[in-house]
Amino acid sequence: GQSLEQPSEVTAVEGAIVQINCTYQTSGFYGLSWYQQHDGGAPTFLSYNALDGLEETGRFSSFLSRSDSYGYLLLQELQMKDSASYFCAVTNDYKLSFGAGTTVTVRA
Amino acid sequence: EAEVAQSPRYKITEKSQAVAFWCDPISGHATLYWYRQILGQGPELLVQFQDESVVDDSQLPKDRFSAERLKGVDSTLKIQPAELGDSAMYLCASSRTNRQQGEQYFGPGTRLTVT
Repeated sequence: GQSLEQPSEVTAVEGAIVQINCTYQTSGFYGLSWYQQHDGGAPTFLSYNALDGLEETGRFSSFLSRSDSYGYLLLQELQMKDSASYFCAVTNDYKLSFGAGTTVTVRA
Repeated sequence: EAEVAQSPRYKITEKSQAVAFWCDPISGHATLYWYRQILGQGPELLVQFQDESVVDDSQLPKDRFSAERLKGVDSTLKIQPAELGDSAMYLCASSRTNRQQGEQYFGPGTRLTVT
């Protein structure tokens, strides 16, 4: 099986930087994905890392270290609309497995 | 921009009744997924199709749940009979291929309430 750990909640102010860590245990690891989900909405794909290193997409960046079974999502210049749940998910063999999610609350 | 379509958006049913959900993936996406998401948790894969074939249904409660994708395009998920514990959000997602499963596109979901 597989397991993923991420913090349950993070609170920060507008304009701040938030890092959401994700550690995983799985066999046949292919890559690490991040999804955003607003209340009542569907998950939205943010990023996918298959190789070690940092991938930047606008205000969001994602990092992977395969040797440490660790990754993170970095949210910069936080905006109120970034208040949402963020899920890390591992791809192994042919399946995507999600963590329990991190609720990010942005305060004015 | 192409989207995954799902219907209905909301469904209220009594326990022991049958219920069905429909999904139309993004055009050209060969892989289709059905997930169940309970409030406060991440989505859990129920069944995965590659074209019209089931790739993984290990987490599908087969005594009451069934899924099909007859022509390899749209798909239906059925529950019969529904139980109180089935109340959840049912999400459909698609990816271009099963090798791109890290990048999935989700539909708006069906919120099921069983009374």
